[in-house]
Amino acid sequence: GEDVEQSLFLSVREGDSSVINCTYTDSSSTYLYWYKQEPGAGLQLLTYIFSNMDMKQDQRLTVLLNKKDKHLSLRIADTQTGDSAIYFCAEIPLSGGYNKLIFGAGTRLAVHP
Amino acid sequence: DVKVTQSSRYLVKRTGEKVFLECVQDMDHENMFWYRQDPGLGLRLIYFSYDVKMKEKGDIPEGYSVSREKKERFSLILESASTNQTSMYLCASSLGSGAASTDTQYFGPGTRLTVL
Repeated sequence: GEDVEQSLFLSVREGDSSVINCTYTDSSSTYLYWYKQEPGAGLQLLTYIFSNMDMKQDQRLTVLLNKKDKHLSLRIADTQTGDSAIYFCAEIPLSGGYNKLIFGAGTRLAVHP
Repeated sequence: DVKVTQSSRYLVKRTGEKVFLECVQDMDHENMFWYRQDPGLGLRLIYFSYDVKMKEKGDIPEGYSVSREKKERFSLILESASTNQTSMYLCASSLGSGAASTDTQYFGPGTRLTVL
């Protein structure tokens, strides 16, 4: 079946690293995404990783993909208060037959001084 | 940059009213989507469209309909609003090369609908 799971909350101190984890179920997924939603706003595409990659780095963001365990993580280095938001993991399983994003429930990241 | 706009940020409607939510994208994208977002449930797909006048049901189409008369515009219609349709509604679009495209989806800012 299709299911993407994330923990609901993460609290970190400003300046520390944050790691948000996600597990997905469909091994046919070719792209896996991280979206960020700030309070009262829509979803902003943060980054994505193609399934034949293990890692992707973009400035303070590092995405790690373990395809064997169907585990995806997003690491934010030097976390700032502006990183406080909800982070959604999403996959597009090819078995869906069309461009259907499956989202996790979202992880609320709280950054405190 | 891709721009997806939604007609209202906040809407308050009464039970039984007909509600229209509008979404416009300016990048000539083929695919457009409507989701609703509820706490603890993430985003759930209501309907999507991969071409003008074409639509497909998502996971939760009951109580909703859609219209795509022009490529850039995708409307979500609540024929008779009910309190359980109080939610955040998000529109998205993607470039699309067919129904099985895996193109990245870009989202609008959302419309928070309250049905009293």
